Amino acid sequence: RKEVEQDPGPFNVPEGATVAFNCTYSNSASQSFFWYRQDCRKEPKLLMSVYSSGNEDGRFTAQLNRASQYISLLIRDSKLSDSATYLCVVLGSARQLTFGSGTQLTVLP
Amino acid sequence: AAGVIQSPRHLIKEKRETATLKCYPIPRHDTVYWYQQGPGQDPQFLISFYEKMQSDKGSIPDRFSAQQFSDYHSELNMSSLELGDSALYFCASSSRTGSGYTFGSGTRLTVV
Repeated sequence: RKEVEQDPGPFNVPEGATVAFNCTYSNSASQSFFWYRQDCRKEPKLLMSVYSSGNEDGRFTAQLNRASQYISLLIRDSKLSDSATYLCVVLGSARQLTFGSGTQLTVLP
Repeated sequence: AAGVIQSPRHLIKEKRETATLKCYPIPRHDTVYWYQQGPGQDPQFLISFYEKMQSDKGSIPDRFSAQQFSDYHSELNMSSLELGDSALYFCASSSRTGSGYTFGSGTRLTVV
């Protein structure tokens, strides 16, 4: 079992739709949590950190449930430019990032 | 703002050759991480350095070695290259006082 597991995808949604991604992690000692976005053949780029209280950045909302070891990302009013692979990333006690396999999102016109 | 610089961007090598990948972290970042991302795979942690000392080791083959120099840049040395080593190699840097990790644009290694 992978340390970080994500929704299998791919997700194909129309412009303007709301889409949610889920992620679970197995290491209860994990310290920090992130969502990264990766475009094809490019480097992962930080989308947002995820806090226990939940946090929002424009159309993006991230939630963390430490008890269930569950992380989510909600994208509202999807844009064509949101098409990418979304990586759930967990920072362990050794300060190394562990990536989920990613969920591919395609926003259709 | 300065980002993480990796060189070269692309590299083609033959089997059994050696390759050296370079990473220049963001100024004042003291920790460097190397990741390998195969086709259709998620990035896999290879090795990290903090203050020029190896701090953690992941799934790095014995044929690979790495070091961090006094100017904090890091090099990943890969010997006896195999076809399966073809991948994107990302370097990321961070500061111990912060939680942000920034990735370089990666080196695409193709072994033929």
